[in-house]
Amino acid sequence: SQTIHQWPATLVQPVGSPLSLECTVEGTSNPNLYWYRQAAGRGLQLLFYSVGIGQISSEVPQNLSASRPQDRQFILSSKKLLLSDSGFYLCAWEELKSLSGNTIYFGEGSWLTVV
Amino acid sequence: AQKVTQAQTEISVVEKEDVTLDCVYETRDTTYYLFWYKQPPSGELVFLIRRNSFDEQNEISGRYSWNFQKSTSSFNFTITASQVVDSAVYFCALSGGEYGNKLVFGAGTILRVKS
Repeated sequence: SQTIHQWPATLVQPVGSPLSLECTVEGTSNPNLYWYRQAAGRGLQLLFYSVGIGQISSEVPQNLSASRPQDRQFILSSKKLLLSDSGFYLCAWEELKSLSGNTIYFGEGSWLTVV
Repeated sequence: AQKVTQAQTEISVVEKEDVTLDCVYETRDTTYYLFWYKQPPSGELVFLIRRNSFDEQNEISGRYSWNFQKSTSSFNFTITASQVVDSAVYFCALSGGEYGNKLVFGAGTILRVKS
């Protein structure tokens, strides 16, 4: 069966410090991968998605970047964190069933507090 | 543009009561997909159901049931005989059409079930 893991689960970082959140998927190949952020207001915002190695699409301009160095690895990064980067970050993968529609499954999430 | 509205910000019920969470969506596409996710206090988003726009059959899974009505653009979620473990934030989401497989989420409904 497929599983998705992301880490670290929780981190507190000072303003201006770098960030690296990692996500890996097991049990599937060539998945679509996503990074979402959930700010304090509960809404979920799509940040990045990737349909393959090295292919990254950004949904909103921001202080963050994403990379996909391997088929099942998706990394969210920042060179210098801002206070506004605080939030709950969720990685997700997409189960591709083109005839009946696709389902997106989420990882456990990472709580980021920028201080 | 696609949009999902969950008008109920927060609902409180007593255990064993039935509760319905409302979801209204907007899309110009004829093929789309609707989802419900549960977010317990741990933060992880748990997939509950996906419905295709061409399948209006209602679905029941244990204490959970979903009522999909294209005529009113609604995809409501009912929990029968609620339990404390049902306490969570519930998100309705939409994908398809011009947005491809990317999920557009509603703001979420906080459900509190009291014993």
